[in-house]
Amino acid sequence: DTEVTQTPKHLVMGMTNKKSLKCEQHMGHRAMYWYKQKAKKPPELMFVYSYEKLSINESVPSRFSPECPNSSLLNLHLHALQPEDSALYLCASSPEGTSNTGELFFGEGSRLTVL
Amino acid sequence: AQSVAQPEDQVNVAEGNPLTVKCTYSVSGNPYLFWYVQYPNRGLQFLLKYITGDNLVKGSYGFEAEFNKSQTSFHLKKPSALVSDSALYFCAVRVRLGAGNNRKLIWGLGTSLAVNP
Repeated sequence: DTEVTQTPKHLVMGMTNKKSLKCEQHMGHRAMYWYKQKAKKPPELMFVYSYEKLSINESVPSRFSPECPNSSLLNLHLHALQPEDSALYLCASSPEGTSNTGELFFGEGSRLTVL
Repeated sequence: AQSVAQPEDQVNVAEGNPLTVKCTYSVSGNPYLFWYVQYPNRGLQFLLKYITGDNLVKGSYGFEAEFNKSQTSFHLKKPSALVSDSALYFCAVRVRLGAGNNRKLIWGLGTSLAVNP
């Protein structure tokens, strides 16, 4: 069983809605990640928090807004999304910060559909 | 440019036969290499990694991978395939981001493994 928990598992939203995806880990990991994955494609890195600070933003549109309230929690706030944003959103964590990215521990993902 | 290639979109193998999923890479410096597996409608799971040391790396579920520096390859192998090994497999390499201290993974496009009973 994964030790990275993501909620909700499924989310359907309209283009004018505001919603949030949540991720939690209790392994004491120091880095947390958001990835976007389309079907049968590799995951695309969106954001990384290292020691609770945003360390990597892969030029993600501002309609996606990450937040790291503490070392165990990671949120992704969604607003005014487009249908092409429909995807599986994966959260991951790693024991060390982004200066030493090694093994990633992934959650099961939140499947987002934008109507 | 730094990159990872998985030359096969799909690999088919009979149950009980050995399997190989291929990966080649192009990075500057010493490579840190990884294999992940994704079962249908699931997140990715770490299988194994090569950082340094022995070229043959053993991982989860009976998988192993061989690092070959001269061929810049890191092929995933298993001596006897199971139907339950059917999944999507991703090879990844760690790279440095710009001139700073951050690093991230670059992913191959994935190989779909089908093990037939």
